Amino acid sequence: QVQLVQSGAEVKKPGSSVKVSCKASGGTFSSYAISWVRQAPGQGLEWMGGIIPIFGTANYAQKFQGRVTITADESTSTAYMELSSLRSEDTAVYYCASGHSYGDVLFWLDWGQGTLVTVSS
Amino acid sequence: NFMLTQPHSVSESPGKTVTISCTRSSGSIASNYVQWYQQRPGSSPTTVIYEDNQRPSGVPDRFSGSIDSSSNSASLTISGLKTEDEADYYCQSYDSSNRDVVFGGGTKLTVL
Repeated sequence: QVQLVQSGAEVKKPGSSVKVSCKASGGTFSSYAISWVRQAPGQGLEWMGGIIPIFGTANYAQKFQGRVTITADESTSTAYMELSSLRSEDTAVYYCASGHSYGDVLFWLDWGQGTLVTVSS
Repeated sequence: NFMLTQPHSVSESPGKTVTISCTRSSGSIASNYVQWYQQRPGSSPTTVIYEDNQRPSGVPDRFSGSIDSSSNSASLTISGLKTEDEADYYCQSYDSSNRDVVFGGGTKLTVL
């Protein structure tokens, strides 16, 4: 089982960027599929994108293409999600999740505690 | 692209069995594995079923998953309901055509 600890809550201005971290322990970080999933207040889950650290290349949901960057630092077992051009609709809890990806399969077994990002002027 | 449709809410009594459905709008439900996540109020999601019917370690065998090609849907069945099972449940699959993840809208389970 992988433990995922995320960075703390953020308050950002519209138009700015936010970078959230997710530090993993208890597993082989490099080989896991790390994804970022967000949840707006009172809404459902929404996948933003993911990365497998050993491969290094991230893939993104079409909705967030060009606005989100997901990276991973194998030396610190930490994944990052940066979202730019923030707007009020980006106010949400952002979760990292760790799991498996192979062929047309992607799922997660472990989740971080979530990071609340509030976008407000 | 396809959608996964879940009932908005279900309710059942403690000790009973409940089934939550997840219907795929196009393409075969068997084409891509379905996962189920539980989210209790104020908490992070947890995984209760992966690859259609596999339980992660620590998930009780009261939770089971299945797919039905005739209805093109997946189901999560919880038997011996407990008040602690009260939560939102989300199904999830993968869209091979655009390499995107698809979530159902979530089902609120009330145990009363």
